[in-house]
Amino acid sequence: AQTVTQSQPEMSVQEAETVTLSCTYDTSESDYYLFWYKQPPSRQMILVIRQEAYKQQNATENRFSVNFQKAAKSFSLKISDSQLGDAAMYFCAYRSLGAQKLVFGQGTRLTINP
Amino acid sequence: EPEVTQTPSHQVTQMGQEVILRCVPISNHLYFYWYRQILGQKVEFLVSFYNNEISEKSEIFDDQFSVERPDGSNFTLKIRSTKLEDSAMYFCASSARSGGTEAFFGQGTRLTVV
Repeated sequence: AQTVTQSQPEMSVQEAETVTLSCTYDTSESDYYLFWYKQPPSRQMILVIRQEAYKQQNATENRFSVNFQKAAKSFSLKISDSQLGDAAMYFCAYRSLGAQKLVFGQGTRLTINP
Repeated sequence: EPEVTQTPSHQVTQMGQEVILRCVPISNHLYFYWYRQILGQKVEFLVSFYNNEISEKSEIFDDQFSVERPDGSNFTLKIRSTKLEDSAMYFCASSARSGGTEAFFGQGTRLTVV
């Protein structure tokens, strides 16, 4: 079974600075999808960024980018120019190519200091 | 922007009672999911539903649980004879397709069993 590990329960960053959230996963599959979801205090899970394992190029969405290291099974999220609205719980998630369920990590609580 | 809607936002029930959590997925989506998040723990997959039947379920989803799409718009999770350990945030999600497409989550229903 696949597992996802987020080793940083909490992170904090100064507004406008850059922060990187770590995620590692364990799988024997070669094709899969990886996601970062954001859960603000409103509790709704919002997709931040998605990466297909067969793509070597790292995904980027505005201030959010990933560092996908397939051999190392690492999928970190970099947030540039951090804003107060980025404060939330961030979950890394894995989905097998043929499956429907998401496997989530434990989450990292990100605090933005003004 | 279309969204997944869950009702109620918070439900308190007595141990042993039955509860029904309701969700209205995004209208043109075909795949529907329930996830659970016990306070302080990771988000866990419960079940996925496609073409009016369960397509995948976790070991958590035992005979106590059932899902239904009673009409063209609602998707429900029924918990029979609730237990204290069923207290959690329950998230409904939907996606247009399986695989790497984005799953859109609702805002969750907080279930408290007393």
